[in-house]
Amino acid sequence: EVQLVESGGGLIKPGGSLRLSCAASGFTFTNAWMSWVRQAPGKGLDWVGRIRSKTDGGTTDYATPVKGRFTISRDESRSTLYLQLNGLKSEDTAVYFCTTGSNSYPLAYWGLGTLVTVSS
Amino acid sequence: DIVMTQTPLSLSVTPGQPASISCKSSQSLLYRDGKTYLYWYLQKPGQSPQLLIYEVSNRFSGVPDRFSGSGSGTDFTLKISRVEAEDVGVYYCMQSIQLPTFGQGTKVEIK
Repeated sequence: EVQLVESGGGLIKPGGSLRLSCAASGFTFTNAWMSWVRQAPGKGLDWVGRIRSKTDGGTTDYATPVKGRFTISRDESRSTLYLQLNGLKSEDTAVYFCTTGSNSYPLAYWGLGTLVTVSS
Repeated sequence: DIVMTQTPLSLSVTPGQPASISCKSSQSLLYRDGKTYLYWYLQKPGQSPQLLIYEVSNRFSGVPDRFSGSGSGTDFTLKISRVEAEDVGVYYCMQSIQLPTFGQGTKVEIK
């Protein structure tokens, strides 16, 4: 069974940094493309970014609002996905979900999410 | 970015009655491999989104057959043949022919 467990959220001041983690199990992490999706309170879903598998180059893509501030990385030895959030703004306040899937359904499996609140 | 537009934004349905949600994309979602990269999700209250439909019309594992997807190019539809109480929540369409984008969501409630 695919399991994705996010952690690392919390209250952070504007301009601050935070690192989120997503512990993955139940599938071959090294072969998986991984993504982050966020949801501001009471709002819809916004794709944040993704990282390809190492075999597919391990490269990353980001949504325009976070490009240059957020960085996605992965640790194959720990089967863990990371999201480094820098230069946080109030509009980054959201639940951050870790997701994965396959070629046919890239965002099939979701974690429960971790809440990031950016406020002074 | 491809813009996904859903209508209606909210829907109140009597149990046992059908429901339909439309999703339009600002560009065609048909890729050169012949596949169309359109997905439907349901986010039940207090839960993470769950995949219902992938590539326009394929039900994901465990999804009841009362859910069906159709469409092509830029116009897509999710249909629920007979709405049940457990179907309440917000439905989202998503495209992944380019970097993924979601529709605004359609809130479905039971009358």
